[in-house]
Amino acid sequence: EAQVTQNPRYLITVTGKKLTVTCSQNMNHEYMSWYRQDPGLGLRQIYYSMNVEVTDKGDVPEGYKVSRKEKRNFPLILESPSPNQTSLYFCASSGQGDSTEAFFGQGTRLTVV
Amino acid sequence: AQSVAQPEDQVNVAEGNPLTVKCTYSVSGNPYLFWYVQYPNRGLQFLLKYITGDNLVKGSYGFEAEFNKSQTSFHLKKPSALVSDSALYFCAVRDKWDYIPTFGRGTSLIVHP
Repeated sequence: EAQVTQNPRYLITVTGKKLTVTCSQNMNHEYMSWYRQDPGLGLRQIYYSMNVEVTDKGDVPEGYKVSRKEKRNFPLILESPSPNQTSLYFCASSGQGDSTEAFFGQGTRLTVV
Repeated sequence: AQSVAQPEDQVNVAEGNPLTVKCTYSVSGNPYLFWYVQYPNRGLQFLLKYITGDNLVKGSYGFEAEFNKSQTSFHLKKPSALVSDSALYFCAVRDKWDYIPTFGRGTSLIVHP
Protein backbone atom coordinates (compact mmCIF):
# COMPACT_ATOMS: atom_id res chain seq x y z
CA GLU A 1 0.00 0.00 0.00
CA ALA A 2 1.29 3.43 -1.00
CA GLN A 3 1.74 5.54 2.07
CA VAL A 4 3.58 8.22 3.97
CA THR A 5 4.39 7.24 7.54
CA GLN A 6 5.10 9.71 10.29
CA ASN A 7 6.23 8.96 13.82
CA PRO A 8 5.33 9.65 16.50
CA ARG A 9 1.64 10.54 16.13
CA TYR A 10 1.60 12.40 19.42
CA LEU A 11 4.47 13.96 21.34
CA ILE A 12 4.67 16.10 24.47
CA THR A 13 8.06 17.53 25.25
CA VAL A 14 9.71 20.28 27.25
CA THR A 15 11.25 23.48 25.99
CA GLY A 16 14.77 23.02 24.72
CA LYS A 17 14.82 19.24 24.46
CA LYS A 18 15.85 18.22 20.95
CA LEU A 19 13.43 16.03 19.05
CA THR A 20 13.05 14.41 15.66
CA VAL A 21 9.85 13.57 13.81
CA THR A 22 10.42 10.89 11.22
CA CYS A 23 8.78 10.67 7.80
CA SER A 24 9.09 7.82 5.35
CA GLN A 25 7.40 7.17 1.99
CA ASN A 26 7.31 3.93 0.00
CA MET A 27 6.42 5.37 -3.43
CA ASN A 28 9.90 6.32 -4.60
CA HIS A 29 8.80 9.96 -4.73
CA GLU A 30 11.36 12.65 -5.44
CA TYR A 31 9.58 15.48 -3.67
CA MET A 32 8.93 15.66 0.04
CA SER A 33 7.85 18.48 2.30
CA TRP A 34 6.87 19.37 5.84
CA TYR A 35 3.90 21.52 6.84
CA ARG A 36 2.51 22.76 10.08
CA GLN A 37 -1.20 23.30 10.56
CA ASP A 38 -2.47 25.88 13.02
CA PRO A 39 -6.06 27.07 13.58
CA GLY A 40 -6.94 29.91 11.24
CA LEU A 41 -3.62 29.71 9.41
CA GLY A 42 -4.12 26.60 7.29
CA LEU A 43 -1.10 24.67 6.08
CA ARG A 44 2.20 26.45 6.10
CA GLN A 45 5.25 24.93 4.48
CA ILE A 46 8.32 24.54 6.68
CA TYR A 47 10.89 22.88 4.41
CA TYR A 48 10.84 20.91 1.21
CA SER A 49 13.17 18.65 -0.70
CA MET A 50 13.37 18.10 -4.44
CA ASN A 51 15.65 15.07 -4.17
CA VAL A 52 18.36 13.44 -2.06
CA GLU A 53 20.67 16.05 -0.49
CA VAL A 54 18.54 18.88 -1.94
CA THR A 55 16.49 20.81 0.59
CA ASP A 56 15.11 24.34 0.74
CA LYS A 57 13.24 26.61 3.11
CA GLY A 58 9.51 27.04 2.93
CA ASP A 59 7.46 29.82 4.43
CA VAL A 60 8.18 29.18 8.14
CA PRO A 61 11.60 27.48 8.48
CA GLU A 62 12.82 29.19 11.66
CA GLY A 63 13.53 26.75 14.46
CA TYR A 64 13.49 23.68 12.22
CA LYS A 65 16.03 21.58 10.37
CA VAL A 66 15.64 18.78 7.86
CA SER A 67 17.84 16.29 6.07
CA ARG A 68 17.40 14.09 3.02
CA LYS A 69 20.11 11.45 3.06
CA GLU A 70 17.89 8.80 1.50
CA LYS A 71 15.09 9.19 -0.99
CA ARG A 72 12.46 7.61 1.23
CA ASN A 73 13.17 9.51 4.48
CA PHE A 74 12.77 13.17 5.35
CA PRO A 75 13.06 13.76 9.11
CA LEU A 76 12.09 17.04 10.76
CA ILE A 77 14.41 18.14 13.55
CA LEU A 78 13.65 20.65 16.29
CA GLU A 79 16.99 21.38 17.93
CA SER A 80 15.56 23.50 20.75
CA PRO A 81 11.77 23.35 20.73
CA SER A 82 9.76 26.28 22.04
CA PRO A 83 6.06 26.54 22.97
CA ASN A 84 5.28 28.42 19.73
CA GLN A 85 6.18 25.25 17.87
CA THR A 86 3.21 23.48 19.41
CA SER A 87 1.28 22.46 16.32
CA LEU A 88 0.06 19.67 14.06
CA TYR A 89 2.75 18.63 11.60
CA PHE A 90 2.31 16.89 8.28
CA CYS A 91 4.80 15.30 5.95
CA ALA A 92 3.90 15.00 2.26
CA SER A 93 5.45 13.48 -0.83
CA SER A 94 4.77 13.66 -4.55
CA GLY A 95 6.23 12.09 -7.64
CA GLN A 96 8.04 13.52 -10.62
CA GLY A 97 5.16 13.24 -13.08
CA ASP A 98 3.87 16.72 -13.76
CA SER A 99 0.32 15.94 -12.74
CA THR A 100 0.79 13.96 -9.58
CA GLU A 101 -0.94 14.91 -6.37
CA ALA A 102 0.66 14.99 -2.93
CA PHE A 103 0.33 12.14 -0.45
CA PHE A 104 0.17 13.05 3.22
CA GLY A 105 1.13 11.33 6.43
CA GLN A 106 -1.33 11.02 9.29
CA GLY A 107 0.17 13.91 11.18
CA THR A 108 2.15 14.45 14.36
CA ARG A 109 0.58 16.48 17.14
CA LEU A 110 3.41 18.15 19.03
CA THR A 111 3.00 19.94 22.35
CA VAL A 112 5.95 21.87 23.79
CA VAL A 113 5.56 22.88 27.43
CA ALA B 1 4.68 33.51 -6.52
CA GLN B 2 1.59 31.36 -6.37
CA SER B 3 -1.27 31.74 -3.91
CA VAL B 4 -4.67 30.32 -3.07
CA ALA B 5 -7.63 31.99 -1.41
CA GLN B 6 -10.51 30.20 0.23
CA PRO B 7 -12.78 33.10 1.16
CA GLU B 8 -15.04 31.16 3.54
CA ASP B 9 -13.79 29.78 6.82
CA GLN B 10 -16.97 27.76 7.18
CA VAL B 11 -19.77 26.59 4.94
CA ASN B 12 -23.02 25.28 6.36
CA VAL B 13 -25.46 23.25 4.28
CA ALA B 14 -28.39 20.97 4.95
CA GLU B 15 -28.13 17.32 4.05
CA GLY B 16 -29.46 16.67 0.56
CA ASN B 17 -28.80 20.22 -0.63
CA PRO B 18 -26.07 21.11 -3.12
CA LEU B 19 -22.81 22.43 -1.71
CA THR B 20 -20.11 24.73 -3.03
CA VAL B 21 -16.74 25.43 -1.46
CA LYS B 22 -14.98 28.33 -3.12
CA CYS B 23 -11.38 28.66 -4.22
CA THR B 24 -9.53 31.27 -6.23
CA TYR B 25 -5.89 31.11 -7.21
CA SER B 26 -2.96 33.03 -8.58
CA VAL B 27 -0.11 31.40 -10.48
CA SER B 28 2.30 32.64 -13.14
CA GLY B 29 2.03 29.74 -15.56
CA ASN B 30 -0.63 27.19 -16.31
CA PRO B 31 -2.28 26.12 -13.06
CA TYR B 32 -2.46 22.63 -11.70
CA LEU B 33 -5.28 22.66 -9.16
CA PHE B 34 -6.15 20.21 -6.41
CA TRP B 35 -8.72 19.65 -3.71
CA TYR B 36 -7.98 17.71 -0.55
CA VAL B 37 -10.19 16.72 2.37
CA GLN B 38 -9.16 16.33 6.00
CA TYR B 39 -11.29 14.38 8.45
CA PRO B 40 -10.70 14.83 12.20
CA ASN B 41 -7.40 13.39 13.42
CA ARG B 42 -6.43 12.37 9.92
CA GLY B 43 -4.04 13.55 7.24
CA LEU B 44 -5.15 15.20 4.02
CA GLN B 45 -6.65 12.97 1.36
CA PHE B 46 -6.68 13.77 -2.33
CA LEU B 47 -10.13 14.40 -3.84
CA LEU B 48 -9.61 15.60 -7.39
CA LYS B 49 -7.38 17.63 -9.68
CA TYR B 50 -7.43 19.77 -12.78
CA ILE B 51 -4.42 19.58 -15.07
CA THR B 52 -5.80 20.24 -18.54
CA GLY B 53 -8.80 19.45 -20.70
CA ASP B 54 -12.44 19.48 -19.61
CA ASN B 55 -13.13 22.31 -17.17
CA LEU B 56 -15.40 20.10 -15.06
CA VAL B 57 -13.48 17.42 -13.22
CA LYS B 58 -14.98 14.63 -11.17
CA GLY B 59 -13.38 13.09 -8.12
CA SER B 60 -13.91 10.86 -5.14
CA TYR B 61 -17.13 10.61 -3.08
CA GLY B 62 -19.28 12.34 -5.71
CA PHE B 63 -17.38 15.62 -5.62
CA GLU B 64 -16.63 17.67 -8.70
CA ALA B 65 -14.94 20.98 -9.38
CA GLU B 66 -15.15 23.52 -12.15
CA PHE B 67 -12.08 25.29 -13.48
CA ASN B 68 -12.78 28.84 -14.63
CA LYS B 69 -9.73 30.46 -16.17
CA SER B 70 -11.20 33.94 -16.59
CA GLN B 71 -12.25 34.09 -12.95
CA THR B 72 -9.18 32.15 -11.75
CA SER B 73 -11.45 29.92 -9.70
CA PHE B 74 -11.72 26.24 -8.95
CA HIS B 75 -14.84 25.78 -6.82
CA LEU B 76 -15.63 22.41 -5.29
CA LYS B 77 -19.19 21.18 -5.70
CA LYS B 78 -21.46 18.29 -4.85
CA PRO B 79 -25.09 17.97 -5.98
CA SER B 80 -26.37 16.44 -2.73
CA ALA B 81 -24.48 16.82 0.55
CA LEU B 82 -24.15 14.07 3.13
CA VAL B 83 -23.55 14.49 6.86
CA SER B 84 -20.42 12.38 6.36
CA ASP B 85 -19.04 15.08 4.03
CA SER B 86 -18.47 17.28 7.07
CA ALA B 87 -14.73 17.91 7.13
CA LEU B 88 -12.03 20.47 6.40
CA TYR B 89 -11.40 21.09 2.69
CA PHE B 90 -8.20 22.49 1.22
CA CYS B 91 -7.62 23.89 -2.24
CA ALA B 92 -4.06 23.81 -3.61
CA VAL B 93 -2.31 25.17 -6.69
CA ARG B 94 1.05 24.79 -8.36
CA ASP B 95 2.42 25.52 -11.79
CA LYS B 96 3.94 22.96 -14.10
CA TRP B 97 7.52 23.46 -12.91
CA ASP B 98 6.94 23.85 -9.17
CA TYR B 99 6.25 20.43 -7.76
CA ILE B 100 5.41 21.56 -4.25
CA PRO B 101 1.87 22.96 -4.03
CA THR B 102 0.63 26.01 -2.17
CA PHE B 103 -2.44 25.44 -0.01
CA GLY B 104 -5.32 27.64 0.97
CA ARG B 105 -6.28 28.13 4.61
CA GLY B 106 -9.01 25.54 4.45
CA THR B 107 -12.81 25.69 4.64
CA SER B 108 -14.75 23.81 7.27
CA LEU B 109 -17.82 22.19 5.71
CA ILE B 110 -20.64 21.39 8.11
CA VAL B 111 -23.56 19.38 6.78
CA HIS B 112 -26.59 19.45 9.05
CA PRO B 113 -28.99 16.48 9.22
